[in-house]
Amino acid sequence: NAGVTQTPKFQVLKTGQSMTLQCAQDMNHNSMYWYRQDPGMGLRLIYYSASEGTTDKGEVPNGYNVSRLNKREFSLRLESAAPSQTSVYFCASKQTGVWVINEKLFFGSGTQLSVL
Amino acid sequence: KQEVTQIPAALSVPEGENLVLNCSFTDSAIYNLQWFRQDPGKGLTSLLLIQSSQREQTSGRLNASLDKSSGRSTLYIAASQPGDSATYLCAVMNNGNNRLAFGKGNQVVVIP
Repeated sequence: NAGVTQTPKFQVLKTGQSMTLQCAQDMNHNSMYWYRQDPGMGLRLIYYSASEGTTDKGEVPNGYNVSRLNKREFSLRLESAAPSQTSVYFCASKQTGVWVINEKLFFGSGTQLSVL
Repeated sequence: KQEVTQIPAALSVPEGENLVLNCSFTDSAIYNLQWFRQDPGKGLTSLLLIQSSQREQTSGRLNASLDKSSGRSTLYIAASQPGDSATYLCAVMNNGNNRLAFGKGNQVVVIP
């Protein structure tokens, strides 16, 4: 059981370049999330998707776009990368709903992104 | 806005001692609280989840308690081992909100 899979694991970009971080989960979860983790700042929510076809902004959405392609996949796009976007990015997923007893959040292994 | 605090940021304990990690939150209208472990260069792994109606959860050497009225949770790790060295994060989900607010974590080193 793969859980939450993120690609790539590492990426170096030049300022102004664009890229898409991919995330897929095989647990049939309906909610998916993108976080960034920075030293001293903790985990901050960028965007989330409560269900297929919906997306919402988190704490730090500026400079990012997302797509919930289907129930399994949730991608994060940087249209014009900036040095301030150097960070470790995590995708996560969980099941939600009135019938759900355990809403544990499952994380991918992260993407380390450097913008020069 | 929910604020989650974990103090101290880092601590060291000798092997065999019990670990006590504290988490405080400002808004008591929570839906659940989770404790996570993060190893260097890795993602987060959920250790325990406590629903708002529960007082504690246990898994092996781990026990997490929840006091909603005082806005506190405590993670106890009994008889610590070097393999327990990691960063432990607390996260809270509020009622009517599908998002988690994270603390910045406690970086723990267990000294052999």
